[in-house]
Amino acid sequence: EAGVVQSPRYKIIEKKQPVAFWCNPISGHNTLYWYLQNLGQGPELLIRYENEEAVDDSQLPKDRFSAERLKGVDSTLKIQPAELGDSAVYLCASSLGSLAGSTGELFFGEGSRLTVL
Amino acid sequence: GNSVTQMEGPVTLSEEAFLTINCTYTATGYPSLFWYVQYPGEGLQLLLKATKADDKGSNKGFEATYRKETTSFHLEKGSVQVSDSAVYFCALTVYSSASKIIFGSGTRLSIRP
Repeated sequence: EAGVVQSPRYKIIEKKQPVAFWCNPISGHNTLYWYLQNLGQGPELLIRYENEEAVDDSQLPKDRFSAERLKGVDSTLKIQPAELGDSAVYLCASSLGSLAGSTGELFFGEGSRLTVL
Repeated sequence: GNSVTQMEGPVTLSEEAFLTINCTYTATGYPSLFWYVQYPGEGLQLLLKATKADDKGSNKGFEATYRKETTSFHLEKGSVQVSDSAVYFCALTVYSSASKIIFGSGTRLSIRP
């Protein structure tokens, strides 16, 4: 069974440029998460989707970040414009069922490492 | 609020040494507790979990016991191997905010042959 797939693995851009990350969750997983991981820190939730609905986006900086999951399967996270402080790893995870998070059964992709120059 | 504090790394041990990585938590309600591991070049994966006080989670020789009285969930292994070199994250979730898992800052473990 294929795991969570993310792309690109690495991205280097100049500040003020846009960037987009793509995530394809495990087949059948209806809950999808985007996490931000700064160097030396643990992941922090940006947004959680149940199917195509964003049910928790309270930590998403909406002035420059946006996300979508139009058909309830794959998802895109966009930053426009990027700032130096956005340099981090962007993790996507998925789980089976809306309450799966309470059991800890999240499946993570390898992440997309962003460097903003 | 809910939070997790784990010992800072890096931790460097020799093969076959005993491992302890400390984790304490603060939570409203009754959290479930987890250890996630991130091997080099791979995504985070669930290592073990415990969902109520006094439960012991175990996997791959690792163990952690949910201690409500000390609000702790320390990770232990009796004899580490080089292949255990990774970053370990303690985490919790509280049922009232289901599907929001809060992670600690991670502890990097390096095992010398």
